[in-house]
Amino acid sequence: RKEVEQDPGPFNVPEGATVAFNCTYSNSASQSFFWYRQDCRKEPKLLMSVYSSGNEDGRFTAQLNRASQYISLLIRDSKLSDSATYLCVVKRQGGKLIFGQGTELSVKP
Amino acid sequence: EAGVVQSPRYKIIEKKQPVAFWCNPISGHNTLYWYRQNLGQGPELLIRYENEEAVDDSQLPKDRFSAERLKGVDSTLKIQPAELGDSAVYLCASSEDRELREQYFGPGTRLTVT
Repeated sequence: RKEVEQDPGPFNVPEGATVAFNCTYSNSASQSFFWYRQDCRKEPKLLMSVYSSGNEDGRFTAQLNRASQYISLLIRDSKLSDSATYLCVVKRQGGKLIFGQGTELSVKP
Repeated sequence: EAGVVQSPRYKIIEKKQPVAFWCNPISGHNTLYWYRQNLGQGPELLIRYENEEAVDDSQLPKDRFSAERLKGVDSTLKIQPAELGDSAVYLCASSEDRELREQYFGPGTRLTVT
């Protein structure tokens, strides 16, 4: 079993839809949590950090449940430009990042 | 400010040939990472440097892979000899220090071994 597991994709949604991605992690000592975005044939870029209290950045909301070792990302009012692969990332003590396999999102007109 | 620079962007080689990738991190970033990303997967760490010291190379296949970061700035990752299974994107990333939340990635080198 992989240390970080994500929903298998791809997700195909119409513009304006709300879409949610789920992620679980197995190492209870994990310290920090993130969502990265990776466009096709590009490098990953930090989308947002994930905090236990939940955090929002515009149309994006991230949630963390440490007890269940579960992370989520909600995208409201999807735009065509949201089409990308979303990577769930967990940071171990010492700075090592563990990436999930990614979930591909395709937003259609 | 310039981001992480990598070269070459693409490389096609025959199996058993050697190949090298170069990375120049963001100025002032002490921590440098090499990742390998296979198709449909997330990046996997190969090696991490704190300045010129390799502090985590547990995932580096040491029989054929080597890396160096002389003077704690640029870094080179080498494969010799390459195998078909080495085809992947090799990503370099840097951060100001190992505890900082964000790693900045370079565009990667797409390696195809035929």
